[in-house]
Amino acid sequence: GQNIDQPTEMTATEGAIVQINCTYQTSGFNGLFWYQQHAGEAPTFLSYNVLDGLEEKGRFSSFLSRSKGYSYLLLKELQMKDSASYLCAVTDSNYQLIWGAGTKLIIKP
Amino acid sequence: ETGVTQTPRHLVMGMTNKKSLKCEQHLGHNAMYWYKQSAKKPLELMFVYNFKEQTENNSVPSRFSPECPNSSHLFLHLHTLQPEDSALYLCASSQGDTNTGELFFGEGSRLTVL
Repeated sequence: GQNIDQPTEMTATEGAIVQINCTYQTSGFNGLFWYQQHAGEAPTFLSYNVLDGLEEKGRFSSFLSRSKGYSYLLLKELQMKDSASYLCAVTDSNYQLIWGAGTKLIIKP
Repeated sequence: ETGVTQTPRHLVMGMTNKKSLKCEQHLGHNAMYWYKQSAKKPLELMFVYNFKEQTENNSVPSRFSPECPNSSHLFLHLHTLQPEDSALYLCASSQGDTNTGELFFGEGSRLTVL
């Protein structure tokens, strides 16, 4: 079966760095997405990786290794507003989008 | 106007009620989606519409009935639901439905079935 694994919950300190991992087992691969979802709000797009390597966008970076079926989202200089759930999703060979259950990130002062 | 708007934001209904969820997108996209989001579970795709035509029905029970009158509007008609159908129902749109582009989500309709 197809599966996306990410930690259920993580805690980090304001100003620090946190890495949220995502591993996937899917039938083929056509790209990996990260979305952010604040409580009670819509998920919003953060990043898209289709080739190996690191994509940097301000304080957020996303890394992909297709050979390892692995991605991470790196958040630097954490702010309280970064407290949210982070959803990993992979597009498989049939262009079906497979979602992880999300990682709830709690930022403490 | 925000990109994707859903109404109502909250809905409580009995198992014998009939209600509808509404979604409207102002982004000029051609694809629209209904997702179910339950606590600590992955998003579940329910239906996909592309240029008003249903292109995917992900084995959803018939008590959920979608309607897409045009590319900007999407409805989810609900009847004789079960308590386990209580969840957040998210509408999304995209330019193209091949899942290689960004999805734009509404804020969801929180449904409680008593």
